[in-house]
Amino acid sequence: QKEVEQNSGPLSVPEGAIASLNCTYSDRGSQSFFWYRQYSVISTELIMSIYSNGDKEDGRFTAQLNKASQYVSLLIRDSQPSDSATYLCAVSSGGGADGLTFGKGTHLIIQP
Amino acid sequence: EPEVTQTPSHQVTQMGQEVILRCVPISNHLYFYWYRQILGQKVEFLVSFYNNEISEKSEIFDDQFSVERPDGSNFTLKIRSTKLEDSAMYFCASSGTGELQPQHFGDGTRLSIL
Repeated sequence: QKEVEQNSGPLSVPEGAIASLNCTYSDRGSQSFFWYRQYSVISTELIMSIYSNGDKEDGRFTAQLNKASQYVSLLIRDSQPSDSATYLCAVSSGGGADGLTFGKGTHLIIQP
Repeated sequence: EPEVTQTPSHQVTQMGQEVILRCVPISNHLYFYWYRQILGQKVEFLVSFYNNEISEKSEIFDDQFSVERPDGSNFTLKIRSTKLEDSAMYFCASSGTGELQPQHFGDGTRLSIL
């Protein structure tokens, strides 16, 4: 049974600070890792994808992957109130037809 | 930016009835997916579809469910003999060809079974 675990939160971060979201996964064969953002269980928006160990940066977002530790994280720099949402970690074994396995999501609150 | 569109946004149906949820994937994508999210729970994979046939399905996707691509643009999920526990958000997603392509999600259909 493939599992993806996230701390459900809420995680409260002051505006302008760095928000750090973490995710662990059970399937060592996982190849693709994604962070999605949900506002009120609609609008499931892809934020980042990462496929190899290390860091990947896109604007204020940095995804970090450590396959040896089976750990994925998302850093949000200069957090804004509009970043308040639920962040979902999702994992797949990489094939085009593979379904994603999701974590339950971390509820992030950015305090003005 | 191209997006996945789903209709309707909210569907209310009597228990035992059949429902069809509709999706228009991103136009040059070839992989299509359905997921569901019961309130307060994880997003769960139901089925993937490629080249006009099911590629993969989860244990949830039993004989009650079926998918179809009736024309070049729509992708549908049919749920027969709906039960109260089918109440959930249903998300459609699509992805491009090639390895490691991300899936892009629609805004979902909220299905309420009464």
